[in-house]
Amino acid sequence: DIQMTQSPSSLSASVGDRVTITCQASQDISNYLNWYQQKPGKAPKLLIYDASNLETGVPSRFSGSGSGTDFTFTISSLQPEDIATYYCQQPPLTFGGGTKVEIK
Amino acid sequence: QVQLQESGPGLVKPSQTLSLTCTVSGGSISSGSYYWSWIRQPAGKGLEWIGRIYTSGSTNYNPSLKSRVTISVDTSKNQFSLKLSSVTAADTAVYYCARGRRDSSSDAFDIWGQGTMVTVSS
Repeated sequence: DIQMTQSPSSLSASVGDRVTITCQASQDISNYLNWYQQKPGKAPKLLIYDASNLETGVPSRFSGSGSGTDFTFTISSLQPEDIATYYCQQPPLTFGGGTKVEIK
Repeated sequence: QVQLQESGPGLVKPSQTLSLTCTVSGGSISSGSYYWSWIRQPAGKGLEWIGRIYTSGSTNYNPSLKSRVTISVDTSKNQFSLKLSSVTAADTAVYYCARGRRDSSSDAFDIWGQGTMVTVSS
């Protein structure tokens, strides 16, 4: 089975900061990598699919990059409404452990 | 706009079978290049994919749960269902249904239900 290692598990940043989360696959997964945002008490929401494609309606401050085994998710300017836990996913089976993003 | 809604008992006794249904509204479960999945999340923990079904009836399951899981679809009711047998406290979680959007180069869960909490306890 493919393992997804996501880091960090949590981070604290100020409004306006650039935030970066990484996800590493245990083997080459090409660009089959998605990113989701989950706010407390809510279902996850798809933000990025195929490593770098922005889902319709998602703000452009969110972006993704990478291929093969190493992937990056970036929030270019952190906003208060971005407080959430973010998950990477190698579809459909494997999710990363999640990164909880908080405001400093 | 397609929406998903989970339904089923919130409390299941140990060793019994957990049964949930996801109702699809706002569109046909049979249309488009989609599959239908169940995902769960224990309190304070991460997401675990349970399995999926295509409207053809073809299924795939998480190997760690495969021996206990059955996912079925009823296109006439625009619903798909989950059965998880021999449950224990470890199966206590929020259960989500989700639509998988799949084509030649893409595979992602683009629509999710709100989730339903299932507790396994006597």
